[in-house]
Order: sequence, then C-alpha cells, then structure tokens
Amino acid sequence: DVKVTQSSRYLVKRTGEKVFLECVQDMDHENMFWYRQDPGLGLRLIYFSYDVKMKEKGDIPEGYSVSREKKERFSLILESASTNQTSMYLCASSRLQGLESHEQYFGPGTRLTVT
Amino acid sequence: AQKVTQAQTEISVVEKEDVTLDCVYETRDTTYYLFWYKQPPSGELVFLIRRNSFDEQNEISGRYSWNFQKSTSSFNFTITASQVVDSAVYFCALSHGGTDKLIFGTGTRLQVFP
Repeated sequence: DVKVTQSSRYLVKRTGEKVFLECVQDMDHENMFWYRQDPGLGLRLIYFSYDVKMKEKGDIPEGYSVSREKKERFSLILESASTNQTSMYLCASSRLQGLESHEQYFGPGTRLTVT
Repeated sequence: AQKVTQAQTEISVVEKEDVTLDCVYETRDTTYYLFWYKQPPSGELVFLIRRNSFDEQNEISGRYSWNFQKSTSSFNFTITASQVVDSAVYFCALSHGGTDKLIFGTGTRLQVFP
C-alpha cells in the first residue's frame, strides 16, 4: 500500500520560530511536492522536487525553503514563522515517467498554527 | 494561463440522490491531464481518476462517472445514488504534459444527509 507520512498532524509555533515539516514516502517516487491548503483557495503549490537535491519554486514560495537530501524525504522549512503561514500543509509524491503526468499521493497533512 | 474553476462551493443532497460536480478548466496546451481527488473529513486527499486530453471517453467506476468534454473545457463528476460516505470535499486539478505540477480548483464540499 502506498504511503506518504508527515511528521506531525498538528503543530503550534510562535512567531519568528524556525519550523521544519517533514515528509517521507515509501514508493520510490522521484517527484515530491509541498502544498498549503486554505479555505476558499484550494491547494497551492509551494515547492516541488523531481530529484534528490533538486527543487523548483511553485506558486507561493515566499517565506519557505525546502530540502531534499534523500529520495524518500522532503522537508519544508519556515525560516521565521509568521501568523499568515497558519495553514494546512500537505505533502505529496508521484512517479516520474516520460512526458506523462501521473497522479499524486498525499500525506495526511499538518495543521500548523503560528501564534 | 492555466486555471481550474469549480463554481459550486457547497452542495447538499439527501442519500440516494444523484449529484454532479462541475469542473471547468482553461489551458492553451494540447497535451494535458485532468484529475479528481476526494478529501474526506480525515483530511487526506484520495486520488479518484486521471484523464489525458486525448481520451474523451467517459469513465464509469461503480457509482462514480466522469464526463470529459473538450468542446466546453469541462470534466464533470457524477455520483449516482449518493451515500453518506460520499460526504467530502472534491477537487478537480489540471496539469500540462511534461510536468506533474497540478493546478487545483477551489473544491466543492458535498454533504450527503441520511
């Protein structure tokens, strides 16, 4: 059974803290993604990675960075958390195969609250 | 620019009713992919279907069916004889060929009452 896991379901941090959100997949997928989900806005792509140490900005990368040192692990970093980063964060992975676009498998999400 | 519009924010039905969730997309690509995902109250998005732009055949899977019409840029999702377990937020998404980046619609919340 395919599996994407995220380190925490709920997280509460203070403004200015450095925050790490971890994501691990066990499907040997090349692609990994970080989204944030906000009411009325759907899912918006923050960053994605198609290989180890490779990353590309998504639609809303400001205030975030990522790290992918191993194929199965993709970390999202909030360098200095702010209240407007309070949101649900979703990690996903997919396989890379030619020019086709494949379905993404999602983790359970981390609900981050910044106070 | 690519865009996905799910105009229905929330739909409420009574069990056993049929319901259609609308999805309209915009893209200039000739090769693209469309997806539907379900997000139950537990929060984890579940993949339902993937369709490429060259395959306009309708798809049926049990009580679920999808109608893809390139002429109207729509990829609608119908649930027949809805059940309480169908209550969830449903997302339509679009990607263009050669990339796995998804553009999501804002979602439709479906509530099925017993």
